[in-house]
Amino acid sequence: AQKVTQTQTSISVMEKTTVTMDCVYETQDSSYFLFWYKQTASGEIVFLIRQDSYKKENATVGHYSLNFQKPKSSIGLIITATQIEDSAVYFCAMREEGGSAKLIFGEGTKLTVSS
Amino acid sequence: EAAVTQSPRNKVTVTGGNVTLSCRQTNSHNYMYWYRQDTGHGLRLIHYSYGAGNLQIGDVPDGYKATRTTQEDFFLLLELASPSQTSLYFCASSTRGNQDTQYFGPGTRLLVL
Repeated sequence: AQKVTQTQTSISVMEKTTVTMDCVYETQDSSYFLFWYKQTASGEIVFLIRQDSYKKENATVGHYSLNFQKPKSSIGLIITATQIEDSAVYFCAMREEGGSAKLIFGEGTKLTVSS
Repeated sequence: EAAVTQSPRNKVTVTGGNVTLSCRQTNSHNYMYWYRQDTGHGLRLIHYSYGAGNLQIGDVPDGYKATRTTQEDFFLLLELASPSQTSLYFCASSTRGNQDTQYFGPGTRLLVL
């Protein structure tokens, strides 16, 4: 069965530092898609970055990047030069190519960035 | 980036009441989804659709109906609302199916008394 696990419930960092959030997934499929979303204090869910399983290069968008370790079924999110406004809950999600259209979400990691 | 809007943003109803949640996307996406978000359960898929007139059942469909009237509009219906349906509801859309990124609306907070 598909499963996405985020073991870090919460992380606190100082502004302008780098933070890494962990995510491991389980899937039987050889082709799948991994996503990171951010949920702000207002509740809005914002797409950040994705990694397709067949791509070897780690995705990077702005100050977000991914550490994709396929043998370990791991997809970490790295945020560099964190800002106060990065404080949010971050969700990892997975979708299998051969499966239904649904996203499987992790439980989320709450990030607090302080000045 | 996709534009997905939801209405109402907040709704209070009583047990047994009728509720309709609306979602509109204006980026010509084919797929639309309804999720609910609850503490301890994360986001769970209720229903989804891959086009006008189409409806697919998600993981937690009981107590919910959905209707996709146009490519842009997807509605979630609670015909006999129960307190267990108190939740934060999100609509999302994507261009196609499995390979594409889903973009979420701002959410609707529903309280069933």
